[in-house]
Amino acid sequence: EPEVTQTPSHQVTQMGQEVILRCVPISNHLYFYWYRQILGQKVEFLVSFYNNEISEKSEIFDDQFSVERPDGSNFTLKIRSTKLEDSAMYFCASSIKASNTGELFFGEGSRLTVL
Amino acid sequence: AQSVTQLGSHVSVSEGALVLLRCNYSSSVPPYLFWYVQYPNQGLQLLLKYTSAATLVKGINGFEAEFKKSETSFHLTKPSAHLSNAAEYFCAVTIENAGNMLTFGGGTRLMVKP
Repeated sequence: EPEVTQTPSHQVTQMGQEVILRCVPISNHLYFYWYRQILGQKVEFLVSFYNNEISEKSEIFDDQFSVERPDGSNFTLKIRSTKLEDSAMYFCASSIKASNTGELFFGEGSRLTVL
Repeated sequence: AQSVTQLGSHVSVSEGALVLLRCNYSSSVPPYLFWYVQYPNQGLQLLLKYTSAATLVKGINGFEAEFKKSETSFHLTKPSAHLSNAAEYFCAVTIENAGNMLTFGGGTRLMVKP
């Protein structure tokens, strides 16, 4: 069964360092998303991406964050200068279409720990 | 803005017992509602969804949920719990033209005792 894969599963970094989280969405999906969950808190929407552009982004997704689809398969989330509060589980998701079906396919998540 | 509240961060049931996980939403426009399940070390998986059709929605693994507008609720039920149902369950909401920008509840961890 096709699945969304994320790497790394866990990354520890020092505050101020750049981090890139990688995702390989399901191959025929066109819409891509990043969500995050800070420990003990709700899963929060960060950004959606379609046709090489950001479709929607939340208030969380400030200038420190960027997304990119550098090739035909990867979808990346970059945090330019990490802060302690960026420590969270980051989930990548993809969908065939952007309708309100909610049929997102999520990866297993990348846990980011900022020290 | 929409919001979701899941009552009970932890629910424990015995195998074979009824599962009831509560979800209440807030939305000023008609909502689209979803339940996702997350098994340990896995991503979130869509369990079922309400998108303005039938108010009683059936999902995978014998789960169902009923949309009750008067109560702003979308509780998840299963008549008989199985050990394999132990997982974290998330209720989520979105609205028309919001794409798949979901607002999640805090999650409920379901434990099933043998």
